[in-house]
Amino acid sequence: QVQLVQSGAEVKKPGASVKVSCKASGYTFTDYYIHWVRQAPGQGLEWLGWINPKNGGTNYAQKFQGRVTMTRDTSISTAYMELTSLTSDDAAFYYCAKGTGTPDHWGLGTLVTVSS
Amino acid sequence: IVMTQSPGTLSLSPGERATLSCRASQSVSSNYLAWYQQRPGLAPRLLIYGASIRATGIPDRFSGSGSGTDFTLTISRLEPDDFAVYYCQQYGRSPLTFGGGTKVEIK
Repeated sequence: QVQLVQSGAEVKKPGASVKVSCKASGYTFTDYYIHWVRQAPGQGLEWLGWINPKNGGTNYAQKFQGRVTMTRDTSISTAYMELTSLTSDDAAFYYCAKGTGTPDHWGLGTLVTVSS
Repeated sequence: IVMTQSPGTLSLSPGERATLSCRASQSVSSNYLAWYQQRPGLAPRLLIYGASIRATGIPDRFSGSGSGTDFTLTISRLEPDDFAVYYCQQYGRSPLTFGGGTKVEIK
């Protein structure tokens, strides 16, 4: 079955960077995009962008351009999302999700806390 | 594209019918509209894509309809597990955007 296993919770100081990983199994990693979506506690869903694992192509939401970088390592079926210059507004659960088109399977989420 | 969901909260009893609305600020191309369910503490789960196609394993009490800018998710008879937050999302144009959600709560 499809599984997306994300890295553990992170606590970062303002101005720092965070890198979240997402290890895929149960399907061919290069056949589907990996999307990244975040959700602040008690809030709605916000899409950050996607990466095409086949060729590394990316599409970032304009809001995060210059601050987000999505990469992948096909040898271990793992995608990564790095977000820099963190502020308190970046505190959220970060989800990876597979899908070309709309995300159809989601990881359990990684909580990123930003605190001095 | 801005997605607006209504109502914000729907208070219903088990067995009742739920009708959730989603309006887009521009026409959603090719009806690239999805609905997700999110239960507390869990990740979103895809229910509907292509405006009306149920995702794998989704029971037929969930149905989606609509086109252009107006879309509806209907739950024909609410079961206890259906009390959750529901989000619509358009994926026809980047950036993908979500509605603010409709909470379906037990009356």
